[in-house]
Amino acid sequence: SQKIEQNSEALNIQEGKTATLTCNYTNYSPAYLQWYRQDPGRGPVFLLLIRENEKEKRKERLKVTFDTTLKQSLFHITASQPADSATYLCALDIPGNNDMRFGAGTRLTVKP
Amino acid sequence: GAGVSQSPSNKVTEKGKDVELRCDPISGHTALYWYRQSLGQGLEFLIYFQGNSAPDKSGLPSDRFSAERTGGSVSTLTIQRTQQEDSAVYLCASSLDPGLGSPLHFGNGTRLTVT
Repeated sequence: SQKIEQNSEALNIQEGKTATLTCNYTNYSPAYLQWYRQDPGRGPVFLLLIRENEKEKRKERLKVTFDTTLKQSLFHITASQPADSATYLCALDIPGNNDMRFGAGTRLTVKP
Repeated sequence: GAGVSQSPSNKVTEKGKDVELRCDPISGHTALYWYRQSLGQGLEFLIYFQGNSAPDKSGLPSDRFSAERTGGSVSTLTIQRTQQEDSAVYLCASSLDPGLGSPLHFGNGTRLTVT
């Protein structure tokens, strides 16, 4: 069956360190992968998109990698800040019909 | 509009009653999605619309759930004979062109509580 797995439910790190979140998938061949941020009581907010032919994408302190052989994406937040504390979700398109499926998310806490 | 709007923001209903949830997508967005999120859980896909048609209804949990979209805009998700396990946050999102990787824009959801 098709699965999207994010490495852990929760990740706690110290302010200033780099947070690394993992998204693994099986039985998919997505054309692209997206990362979202979700704060409590709010809907997810789009952060970054990376396509299957791209290895890496950067936006300010965020970096995403995409390895279609390993079927894995890594999401990095450098110089993390307490304001980065949130749940981060990866999402894949389903080829052929354009709907999007999400992982369960990783709740990141950055401690001052 | 400024963003995706969902109403009501909160709904408390008695078991067995029907409920209707509404989603107003961003103007011009052809794709519309419904997801369900239980407390502390990820997003469970329910249904996806491209225009007024729903190519993928596979995520609807049971035949008590139905959704429609009219005029390529507003969508309603209807749950008949609600059960306690239907309690969750129902999220709607719209997208301009998902085939090109356009991001999903989410509303803040409707929190449904079935007592």
